[in-house]
Amino acid sequence: KAGVTQTPRYLIKTRGQQVTLSCSPISGHRSVSWYQQTPGQGLQFLFEYFSETQRNKGNFPGRFSGRQFSNSRSEMNVSTLELGDSALYLCASSRREDGTDTQYFGPGTRLTVL
Amino acid sequence: AQTVTQSQPEMSVQEAETVTLSCTYDTSESDYYLFWYKQPPSRQMILVIRQEAYKQQNATENRFSVNFQKAAKSFSLKISDSQLGDAAMYFCAYRTGKSTFGDGTTLTVKP
Repeated sequence: KAGVTQTPRYLIKTRGQQVTLSCSPISGHRSVSWYQQTPGQGLQFLFEYFSETQRNKGNFPGRFSGRQFSNSRSEMNVSTLELGDSALYLCASSRREDGTDTQYFGPGTRLTVL
Repeated sequence: AQTVTQSQPEMSVQEAETVTLSCTYDTSESDYYLFWYKQPPSRQMILVIRQEAYKQQNATENRFSVNFQKAAKSFSLKISDSQLGDAAMYFCAYRTGKSTFGDGTTLTVKP
């Protein structure tokens, strides 16, 4: 079974631009979560989607948004990019919405903001 | 809010020996799930082992085992017969819905 895929793997943007990252979960998984990983802040939860609905949201500004499609694929968008948004963005999928099963991670998208 | 603490930023082990990575967490929940993930230089997060809080028996997965002490809110990972491929950053995670991660422990394996 194919794992979680994320595109693109690498992105370079400049301050003020916006960016969209994509995540395709494991087949049969309906829950998708996004995390930001930086050397200073570690792994931080951004948001979680299940059946096209946002179930949980982390403590990030409104510039960070996401959505999930009917085929469970998810996108996250960051508008008005700041230097501090440079990070590895990880997507994770799981079957259930109740947090009782294992999350499997994609390879991540490395975003660099210049 | 739940917090996860990994008190060892770095650990080192000789190949073929055993090493234990520490993790403590803080929660008021009674039902939750604990995980250890490995992140090698490729940055891919790989599941190592999972423990359900309602199970008293410690999880094992080949050379990897945990010591789960629910009352002490402790969840350590033991790696036996360490191999060069075990070198990575290891993250402890707590999950009820979203996952909360510790800051990670970088494990070096010396040949």
